[in-house]
Amino acid sequence: AQSVSQHNHHVILSEAASLELGCNYSYGGTVNLFWYVQYPGQHLQLLLKYFSGDPLVKGIKGFEAEFIKSKFSFNLRKPSVQWSDTAEYFCAVSRPMDTGRRALTFGSGTRLQVQP
Amino acid sequence: GAVVSQHPSWVICKSGTSVKIECRSLDFQATTMFWYRQFPKQSLMLMATSNEGSKATYEQGVEKDKFLINHASLTLSTLTVTSAHPEDSSFYICSARSRYGPNTGELFFGEGSRLTVL
Repeated sequence: AQSVSQHNHHVILSEAASLELGCNYSYGGTVNLFWYVQYPGQHLQLLLKYFSGDPLVKGIKGFEAEFIKSKFSFNLRKPSVQWSDTAEYFCAVSRPMDTGRRALTFGSGTRLQVQP
Repeated sequence: GAVVSQHPSWVICKSGTSVKIECRSLDFQATTMFWYRQFPKQSLMLMATSNEGSKATYEQGVEKDKFLINHASLTLSTLTVTSAHPEDSSFYICSARSRYGPNTGELFFGEGSRLTVL
């Protein structure tokens, strides 16, 4: 069965530190990859997505992610975090379903805490 | 951007009662909506796929008779938790994909509905 693994469950950083959150998936076919963010008390929001082309994807709020096909990875990065980046981050992969439509499979999430 | 709205955002009910949660796509048509469940400090688990005009497709382990899903129109899907019990307490999140646009798999999420069963 396909799975999405996020290895960092809880990350604590100081402001201005660099961030990298790991994400690996096990599905071997064509995939679309996403990072979603959930700020405290808010709904999920899309940070960035990859479906083809340049494997280095830039998203909102200074985030970027790199798709490395050989490693089945899609790690999220940000050069300098801010206190406002404190949130839960979810990696997600779309998978084909028996009807041909695609749902998302989510990783377990990484809680990022940025200290001022 | 595409907006998905859920109602109610939180509900408290007595054990044995049924609760209905609505999910609406406000500015786009969604042939497919997905219902997820999120336990505290855990990831989102897909419960079922809701298809407009047809029966929902449930994930393994999800009780069809317990979680009734109706996708009556291109902008509305409902999840009814029947005979709710305390173990059904959770955060339920719906998401939708636009009927048009690239089939990249991107989903738009509702705000979520927190159910507490006493």
